Amino acid sequence: QSVLTQPPSVSAAPGQKVTISCSGSSSNIGNNYVSWYQQLPGTAPKLLIYENDKRPSGIPDRFSGSKSGTSATLGITGLQTGDEADYYCGTWDSSLSGSPWVFGGGTKLTVL
Amino acid sequence: EVQLVESGGDLVQPGGSLRLSCAVSAFTLSDHYMHWVRQAPGKGLEWVGRSRNKANGYTTDYAASVKGRFTISRDDSKNSLYLQMNSLKTEDTAMYYCVRGYNYAYDYWGQGTLVTVSS
Repeated sequence: QSVLTQPPSVSAAPGQKVTISCSGSSSNIGNNYVSWYQQLPGTAPKLLIYENDKRPSGIPDRFSGSKSGTSATLGITGLQTGDEADYYCGTWDSSLSGSPWVFGGGTKLTVL
Repeated sequence: EVQLVESGGDLVQPGGSLRLSCAVSAFTLSDHYMHWVRQAPGKGLEWVGRSRNKANGYTTDYAASVKGRFTISRDDSKNSLYLQMNSLKTEDTAMYYCVRGYNYAYDYWGQGTLVTVSS
C-alpha cells in the first residue's frame, strides 16, 4: 500500500478535462513539493510537473498541477488519445519509519 | 542532450548478486543527486535509493526494503552511477531506472534495465 493515495483509474472523452488526486499527510505532501510523472505504455516515466505547479520545458500547458494542504491534483485539459498512460505523484517524506521519497500507487488514464 | 543508459540487468538466482551501471552524458554528474527507482512487473514505482552530489559529500540513503543489501556508488570521472545488489530476493524482480534529481523532482530517466530474481 502506497503512502500517497491516488485513484486507480480515471477516464474521460477526447477533448474533455480530467483531474487526478494525490492524497498524503503532513510528513510528505503537507511540507514538501509534489511532482507528477507520466508513463506511457512500455516506456520510462517522464516528468510532467515539479514544485507543485511548474512545467518543464516542452510540457504543454494542457497539463497543470496544484497543491492544497496534504493533497495535490494533476489536471489535464483537451484530452488526447496519446495521453493514455499511468500517472504518478511523488514527494519527499520526513517520516522516520519510511523511505525518504514516496510515490503514489499510480492512476491509469483512459481516453474513451 | 541529456542521456542516462542503464545496463547490467540479468536473470539471477535468489541470494545472488548483480551490479547495475548507469552511463550518463551531457551533464556534470558531480553536480547532481542521482537516484535509482524500480518498478516490479505490472506494479507502481518504488524509490530504491540516492547518491547525493559532490557538494553534499556523495552520501547515500536507501529504502527500508533494500537497506543493508544494496549499495549506490558513482565514478564521476567515468560519468557513471552504480547499484550493487546483494542477497537478492524474488521480490527484487523489477525494471530498474537510473534517474537524475532536479529541484525536488526527477527530470531525466534512463530506459531501464530488467532484473529477474528466480531459481
